[in-house]
Amino acid sequence: GAVVSQHPSWVICKSGTSVKIECRSLDFQATTMFWYRQFPKQSLMLMATSNEGSKATYEQGVEKDKFLINHASLTLSTLTVTSAHPEDSSFYICSARDLRLAGAYEQYFGPGTRLTVT
Amino acid sequence: GEDVEQSLFLSVREGDSSVINCTYTDSSSTYLYWYKQEPGAGLQLLTYIFSNMDMKQDQRLTVLLNKKDKHLSLRIADTQTGDSAIYFCAEKYSGGGADGLTFGKGTHLIIQP
Repeated sequence: GAVVSQHPSWVICKSGTSVKIECRSLDFQATTMFWYRQFPKQSLMLMATSNEGSKATYEQGVEKDKFLINHASLTLSTLTVTSAHPEDSSFYICSARDLRLAGAYEQYFGPGTRLTVT
Repeated sequence: GEDVEQSLFLSVREGDSSVINCTYTDSSSTYLYWYKQEPGAGLQLLTYIFSNMDMKQDQRLTVLLNKKDKHLSLRIADTQTGDSAIYFCAEKYSGGGADGLTFGKGTHLIIQP
């Protein structure tokens, strides 16, 4: 149980285009999903917290107009990188919290999406 | 912001115990975590510990927490080749998003035959 998937797993796009990454909780409902990015040999940095049905909360320094987050249902959150630039190339990982486990603090992570902007 | 520090590499012989250390700065951390990341994969939660605990054991894994020194360690007994991965220490913090985690840079565990 508690599986999180991401799609696509790997995407290459041209500079100036937009890319959408999906994060799905497959066997549980996730009221909260988190988006992280990871640079090579670096740690994960929290970008934003997404709550179902409400606007995402962005961490300091993360451009909300560039990284559009939508959490339309209890099983799906999307991250759209708009007008992508080479410096946006990174490994994007989502995680989700299980609604059933009230008070629990486990986050289940997706396998990640590697974005390369040429 | 808050900070989590780990050494970048640890090399151990197969069959020995591995001890991965982590220090953190947020004294209000309530939960501390250990995640495992294999090459090209996402993160797998190994274990977590509440801040009011000193130790937690789960099969080959032992977590020790010294809250006074803000030091967390993960001991892997009888290290196997399948344990080769990057291990991230993380703490739950009260940042801009509820339940967001702050991660260390990860310790790359290398197993020698």
